[in-house]
Amino acid sequence: DTGVSQNPRHKITKRGQNVTFRCDPISEHNRLYWYRQTLGQGPEFLTYFQNEAQLEKSRLLSDRFSAERPKGSFSTLEIQRTEQGDSAMYLCASSLQTSREQYFGPGTRLTVT
Amino acid sequence: EDQVTQSPEALRLQEGESSSLNCSYTVSGLRGLFWYRQDPGKGPEFLFTLYSAGEEKEKERLKATLTKKESFLHITAPKPEDSATYLCAVQATADRGSTLGRLYFGRGTQLTVWP
Repeated sequence: DTGVSQNPRHKITKRGQNVTFRCDPISEHNRLYWYRQTLGQGPEFLTYFQNEAQLEKSRLLSDRFSAERPKGSFSTLEIQRTEQGDSAMYLCASSLQTSREQYFGPGTRLTVT
Repeated sequence: EDQVTQSPEALRLQEGESSSLNCSYTVSGLRGLFWYRQDPGKGPEFLFTLYSAGEEKEKERLKATLTKKESFLHITAPKPEDSATYLCAVQATADRGSTLGRLYFGRGTQLTVWP
């Protein structure tokens, strides 16, 4: 069990550029979650997949954000036309459908200049 | 709206000085309360899940308890390596079209233990 992995760990981009992050969940975990965390705050829910189906999206997830989980394995989170307010740590978590515990990856730190 | 409030925001303890962190919550129905530890620049690390009032869980120097409105994380004889931010989160029962997935987090308590 290698845990949840996320790539890249750090991303610096200029305002207006598009970025994509990848999350590989713990193997056999069929639920996958994306959260966003800014300095001094707790993580905030963005979206949630069960297998390949996206079951819930937060209103924080504007039209510039899109998430996919093809084949129910890894997931990608894309942000189009980045803004300075998008600077944050993007966290991915996974869980079994039969378990309530969510296990987090190390996060991707995004800085928009 | 579902809410989680943690106190204090920051806590400094001398090594060996026991204390408690508080997490109060307001949810439409509690499905689970979770404690996580987060080190700087890293993702949250799962510690405990509590499901019903009266439940207690222990791990090394940490003990988590749950009542109908709040949870406590007791730290007994802390060591410098216990320094971290401790996050509390709740999962609510499904209502208003929400699925059973999302966690609602508090802002955390930043614990510093000095030798």
